[in-house]
Amino acid sequence: DTEVTQTPKHLVMGMTNKKSLKCEQHMGHRAMYWYKQKAKKPPELMFVYSYEKLSINESVPSRFSPECPNSSLLNLHLHALQPEDSALYLCASSQEERQGYYEQYFGPGTRLTVT
Amino acid sequence: AQSVTQLDSHVSVSEGTPVLLRCNYSSSYSPSLFWYVQHPNKGLQLLLKYTSAATLVKGINGFEAEFKKSETSFHLTKPSAHMSDAAEYFCVVSDRGGYQKVTFGIGTKLQVIP
Repeated sequence: DTEVTQTPKHLVMGMTNKKSLKCEQHMGHRAMYWYKQKAKKPPELMFVYSYEKLSINESVPSRFSPECPNSSLLNLHLHALQPEDSALYLCASSQEERQGYYEQYFGPGTRLTVT
Repeated sequence: AQSVTQLDSHVSVSEGTPVLLRCNYSSSYSPSLFWYVQHPNKGLQLLLKYTSAATLVKGINGFEAEFKKSETSFHLTKPSAHMSDAAEYFCVVSDRGGYQKVTFGIGTKLQVIP
């Protein structure tokens, strides 16, 4: 199974809402990633978890809060978002965090719209 | 420091003709290089990767890329385009040791004309 799953596929939320994005993989990968992708742009790295510990936080605003409950799951908790946060949020995983050595497997993404 | 330049933001080919998507890189270390494809409203899928073995790398769906150190290039090719190849393609670089983050190119949109 080389699949990364993400739920929900689409999410519309108001600026005062709290919601969560979920990501799951069963490949035994020990590194998991959150990316943000705006239209016609490459993905931008937000967070990296390695062995369930936060390894990289790319100075992301605190209204985005990641969580890695176990080695297969990755969540992104959202609170008080702004309209400019509307984007495709991609989850990825790799065997380990050595990004130049291990390829990343991406989920289909969650299309987030903030109203 | 590392960087990657995708020389064309948009490439248009006729179905059945060859595809060439150009990528140049710069890296302080020996690089690892990847090509990913993204179909509309989908996640990214790895097409192929170069880490240090053969300089000609074969990937999925008939794509291949050649690592040319002297030209700092890693161009993606396919002999005959198919309609299903229409997508966004990203060239990605990192150091081969793998301890630096990857850097994405800006992407090349491939259009295939029937």
